[in-house]
Amino acid sequence: DIQMTQSPSSLSASVGDRVAISCRASRSISNYLNWYQQKPGKAPNLLIYAASTLQSGVPSRFGGSGSGTDFTLTISSLQPEDSATYYCQQSYTTPLTFGGGTKVEIK
Amino acid sequence: EVQLVESGGGLVQPGRSLRLSCAASGFTFDDSAMHWVRQAPGKGLEWVSCISYNSGSIGYADSVKGRFTISRDNAKNSLYLRMNSLRPEDTAVYYCAKDREGDPWYGMDVWGQGTTVTVSS
Repeated sequence: DIQMTQSPSSLSASVGDRVAISCRASRSISNYLNWYQQKPGKAPNLLIYAASTLQSGVPSRFGGSGSGTDFTLTISSLQPEDSATYYCQQSYTTPLTFGGGTKVEIK
Repeated sequence: EVQLVESGGGLVQPGRSLRLSCAASGFTFDDSAMHWVRQAPGKGLEWVSCISYNSGSIGYADSVKGRFTISRDNAKNSLYLRMNSLRPEDTAVYYCAKDREGDPWYGMDVWGQGTTVTVSS
């Protein structure tokens, strides 16, 4: 199975800060990497698919990069509504797997 | 409005069975692969199972293989998860999710609100 490792597990940043979350796959997954945002008590929401393509309706401050085994989700200017947990997920092969999540808090 | 509505969750004793359902509306159901994803209390997301648009491709997490069965009825715009031999560690919110494409490799762009399964004696 492909293991997905996210770092950090949590972070605290100020409004307007640039934030980066890392996701590493245990073997190459090409660009079959998706990012989700989940707020407490809510279902996840797709932000980025195919490593770098912004899902329709998602603010342009969210961006994704990477291929192979190393990927990054970047929030260019953190907003209060971005407080949430973020998950990466590989869709290269079954079993599909999620990273452990990164909790983003606003200072 | 694109919508997924799960049902069938509840309290069940260990070793018993349960069937979850997911009713889809607002999109062409038989064009889309579908997934079940679960989240144990206070934990992260765990992918459970997927099924392609025509049921030709099916996959399971190792933790449920041999116990859970995914199926779909395109005529009824419905997705199902039959869960047998339930264990306390299966306790979670179960989400139904739609894939962006007909095969399950492209990201889950629509999610239901979830249904809670509690396995306890």
